[in-house]
Amino acid sequence: EVQMMESGGGLVQPGGSLRLSCAASGFTFTSYAMSWVRQAPGKGLEWVSGIVGSGDNTYSADSVKGRFTISRDNSKNTLYLQMNRLRAEDTAVYYCAKFEGSVWDGAIDYWGQGTLVTVSS
Amino acid sequence: QPVLTQSSSASASLGSSVKLTCTLSSRHSSYIIAWHQQQPGKAPRYLMKLEGSGSYNMGSGLPDRFSGSSSGADRYLTISNLQSEDEADYYCETWDSHTRVFGGGTKLTVL
Repeated sequence: EVQMMESGGGLVQPGGSLRLSCAASGFTFTSYAMSWVRQAPGKGLEWVSGIVGSGDNTYSADSVKGRFTISRDNSKNTLYLQMNRLRAEDTAVYYCAKFEGSVWDGAIDYWGQGTLVTVSS
Repeated sequence: QPVLTQSSSASASLGSSVKLTCTLSSRHSSYIIAWHQQQPGKAPRYLMKLEGSGSYNMGSGLPDRFSGSSSGADRYLTISNLQSEDEADYYCETWDSHTRVFGGGTKLTVL
């Protein structure tokens, strides 16, 4: 059974940093691209960052480019999101998501349960 | 980059059928999309991947009340025999070479 468990969310001040983790199980982690998707309170889904199965290529939304970095440790079956220079508008539930294949070209086919990040003073 | 447009809300009666629409920007009318369901207070759930031809692949464990179809730039999700648990937000997703986008979502109310 595919499972993904996010952790690392919490309350942080504007300008601060946070690192999210997503521990994956139930599938061959290195064979699948992964992504982070967020959802601000009462709003829709917003794609944040993605990474292919090998880790060689990463992609990020313009809204987080230069501030957030996605990475993965295939030996630990874990996806990460390093978030720096956080802003109030980054407040959201952050979901870890698995793609249907190892490359960027494919749909998200599984979602984690999410972790809440609140940016406030 | 592609843009996905969805109606903000829809409603239908228990036991009836409803057809939700996701419209691709004209330059991207041939793109594949995916449909996702988000029940209140829960994480999203993948429903299906839908091609411009109308061919679709369902997620595992889903009832066959859900189906997909396409016409030009429009991608449809049809839910038949509506149940109370179908009341949810429905999002479409697509991607190109360096980005991924979601539609604004449709809130479905089951009357």
